Amino acid sequence: GQQVMQIPQYQHVQEGEDFTTYCNSSTTLSNIQWYKQRPGGHPVFLIQLVKSGEVKKQKRLTFQFGEAKKNSSLHITATQTTDVGTYFCAGRATGANNLFFGTGTRLTVIP
Amino acid sequence: GAVVSQHPSRVICKSGTSVKIECRSLDFQATTMFWYRQFPKKSLMLMATSNEGSKATYEQGVEKDKFLINHASLTLSTLTVTSAHPEDSSFYICSARFDTNMNTEAFFGQGTRLTVV
Repeated sequence: GQQVMQIPQYQHVQEGEDFTTYCNSSTTLSNIQWYKQRPGGHPVFLIQLVKSGEVKKQKRLTFQFGEAKKNSSLHITATQTTDVGTYFCAGRATGANNLFFGTGTRLTVIP
Repeated sequence: GAVVSQHPSRVICKSGTSVKIECRSLDFQATTMFWYRQFPKKSLMLMATSNEGSKATYEQGVEKDKFLINHASLTLSTLTVTSAHPEDSSFYICSARFDTNMNTEAFFGQGTRLTVV
């Protein structure tokens, strides 16, 4: 079955440092989405990438979709305490109806 | 963005009883809803895909007689955990998509934290 792995599982950074999480799928994806989940909360949609090699930016966040459409990354520049949470990628295999979530990366930002 | 409401947000039930969780799309019609389960500090595990007016599609390993899903209208899907046991305690989250285009985001409900005692 489809598997979506993320690394690292946990990341502790000092406020102001950069952070990157990587997402790898066992199958080619039609698109990939990124979500953020705060402790005790539900996943909140951040962005969707569809095209091979696509790069999108949202302020301090940069999202990239791999050329082979099997991997993706999220990079946060100069982290802030408000960035704390678990970041999930979620991929949809080509032709599939449902999203499979990655294992998540839990980010802790130390003030 | 679109709003998905899930109810209840928390429920505690006795072992052996059944619990119904509702997922409503408040400002759009959701032809497809998804039910996920999330264990503490773990990822979301897709349980089933709920299609309005038809039977749900369950993921491998999910007992359909245990987790009954009904999607009777375009704005409501329900998940009933039957004969609940302590191991069913978990965070259950629904999501909904407002069109059939697969390249659209999913909007999540607030989740239901189920504790079976």
